[in-house]
Amino acid sequence: QVQLVQSGAEVKKPGSSVKVSCRVSGGTFSDGIGWVRQAPGQGLEWMGGLMAMFEEPNMGQKFESRLSITADKSTSTVYMELSSLRSEDTAVYFCARFRVTGAVSHPFDIWGLGTMVTVSS
Amino acid sequence: DVPMTQSPSTLSASVGDSVTISCRASQDISKWLAWYQQKPGKPPKLLIYEASTLTNEAPSRFSGSGSGTEFTLSISSLQPDDFATYFCQHYNSYSKMFGQGTKVEI
Repeated sequence: QVQLVQSGAEVKKPGSSVKVSCRVSGGTFSDGIGWVRQAPGQGLEWMGGLMAMFEEPNMGQKFESRLSITADKSTSTVYMELSSLRSEDTAVYFCARFRVTGAVSHPFDIWGLGTMVTVSS
Repeated sequence: DVPMTQSPSTLSASVGDSVTISCRASQDISKWLAWYQQKPGKPPKLLIYEASTLTNEAPSRFSGSGSGTEFTLSISSLQPDDFATYFCQHYNSYSKMFGQGTKVEI
């Protein structure tokens, strides 16, 4: 059974960067991994994602300038790095798997448990 | 990115009620719409994809309909386990935007 194992909680200063990992356990990184965040008491916000077959990730317009998503296929791990952090970036960050069949990219069917990132001076 | 608008933001109901949640896309998205259920402190759970196809984990009291720009999630005979927040999502190869969410509460 495929599981997504995320790295632990982080506390960061404003202006710094955070890098969160998501390891595919019980399978290989053969489809896609996306990143979604949820600020306290708020809704879900799609940030971006990466398909295993492509090198270039897709980013939400809001995050294009300060988000990096990379993958280490040898360890089936996907990384999300967000820079220039501000207090509004305090949130739980989820990774989630999406299947790809041909030209069709499907919704998120498996989720990690989330990583809490707190931005505070 | 295709913004998604969900309504209502909060819905008060009782066990046994039938409820409907709406989701509107700013442009035609065909059938590429999913619905998720989320409970506090947990990741979301996929219920419906391609607007109307239930996942194996979704109870049959859930149903989805619509295409193009207007979509609905219906729950017949609400059960205690159904009180949660529901999100719609448009998905394609380039974007997976969510609606703002609807909290179904007692």
